[in-house]
Amino acid sequence: DAGVIQSPRHEVTEMGQEVTLRCKPISGHNSLFWYRQTMMRGLELLIYFNNNVPIDDSGMPEDRFSAKMPNASFSTLKIQPSEPRDSAVYFCASSKQGGTEAFFGQGTRLTVV
Amino acid sequence: GESVGLHLPTLSVQEGDNSIINCAYSNSASDYFIWYKQESGKGPQFIIDIRSNMDKRQGQRVTVLLNKTVKHLSLQIAATQPGDSAVYFCATTNDYKLSFGAGTTVTVRA
Repeated sequence: DAGVIQSPRHEVTEMGQEVTLRCKPISGHNSLFWYRQTMMRGLELLIYFNNNVPIDDSGMPEDRFSAKMPNASFSTLKIQPSEPRDSAVYFCASSKQGGTEAFFGQGTRLTVV
Repeated sequence: GESVGLHLPTLSVQEGDNSIINCAYSNSASDYFIWYKQESGKGPQFIIDIRSNMDKRQGQRVTVLLNKTVKHLSLQIAATQPGDSAVYFCATTNDYKLSFGAGTTVTVRA
């Protein structure tokens, strides 16, 4: 298995633009997580899905952020409109339902200028 | 809410010595306590976990200790190697929700 695949690896965008981050979890994993990592705030859980259903989105910073999981093999995290303070590395991770071993993608480094 | 924290942001260790990384948590309802390692430019990687009803678990060169009385978790790395240089996170799970602490940067001196 190729592991969790995220795209793009790097994204530079102008303030106000829409940004879409993509994730392909490991086949057979039921849980999918989106995290944001910054020096100041560490690894923050934004949202997680179980069997494609959003279970907890309390970590989503504000309405500008949205996430979807239309099927078991694909998820997106969208920021619209983007702001400079959204600059961070965004990680997607997947795990077997109830499992403690989450497998992380390589992350998307987002820079909003 | 949940809070998972670490005692020290950085730790410098001589190669060959043992390392001890500490973590405090606040949510007594956590099901599992887990340690992850993050190398530069990569996502976190699972090291070892311990169920909440246990107090010690050993892996390859690593041991995790859980003290529920004081809500404290530690990771011991035996014979620390240069490849152990990374950021280490403790994490907890509760109803499938995986939450991370702040991270300790471990630097191994040759």
